[in-house]
Amino acid sequence: QVELVQSGAEVKKPGASVKVSCKASGYTFTSYYMHWVRQAPGQGLEWMGIINPSGVGTTYAQNFQGRVTMTRDTSTSTFYMELSSLSFEDTAVYFCARAMVASTSWSHGGYWGQGTLLTVSS
Amino acid sequence: DIQMTQSPSSLSASVGDRVTITCRASQGITDYLAWFQQKPGKAPKSLIYAASSLQSGVPSKFSGSGSGTHFTLTISSLQPEDFATYYCQQYNSYPFTFGGGTKVEIK
Repeated sequence: QVELVQSGAEVKKPGASVKVSCKASGYTFTSYYMHWVRQAPGQGLEWMGIINPSGVGTTYAQNFQGRVTMTRDTSTSTFYMELSSLSFEDTAVYFCARAMVASTSWSHGGYWGQGTLLTVSS
Repeated sequence: DIQMTQSPSSLSASVGDRVTITCRASQGITDYLAWFQQKPGKAPKSLIYAASSLQSGVPSKFSGSGSGTHFTLTISSLQPEDFATYYCQQYNSYPFTFGGGTKVEIK
């Protein structure tokens, strides 16, 4: 069965960077794109971007351009999302979500990780 | 960016009620529309994709319809486990935007 296990909660200072991991299992790693989505406390869902598991091609939401980097490591079946220049407004739960349909980015996130809480505090 | 507008933002309903939530896109998205359910402290759960296709394992009391710019999610008979927040999301063009959410509460 598909399982996405994310790294644990993080506390960072403003201006720092954070790297969240999402370890995938139960399916062919290189066949499905991975979304990243965040949710600020008490707020709705915000799509951050998507990564091609082949490593060729990522698309980021304009709100995060220049600050976010999505990568993957096929040897460990793990996706990463790194966010830099953190501010208090980046305090949120960050989710990875695997595309439902293979070999295409035009697919919703059918399977979700448990979420990683990032707290930005001085 | 495509704006997704959900209505209502919240609603109160009783067990057994039929509930309909609407999602409107600021431009046409054909049927590239998904619905998610989220309970407090949990990750979203996919219910519907391609506007009307039921995700495997999701009970048939959930149904979706629509195409273009107007979509609906219907819960045919509300049960206690259905009280949650529901989100629509378009995946027709980047960025894949979400609606603001509809919180379904117990009357």
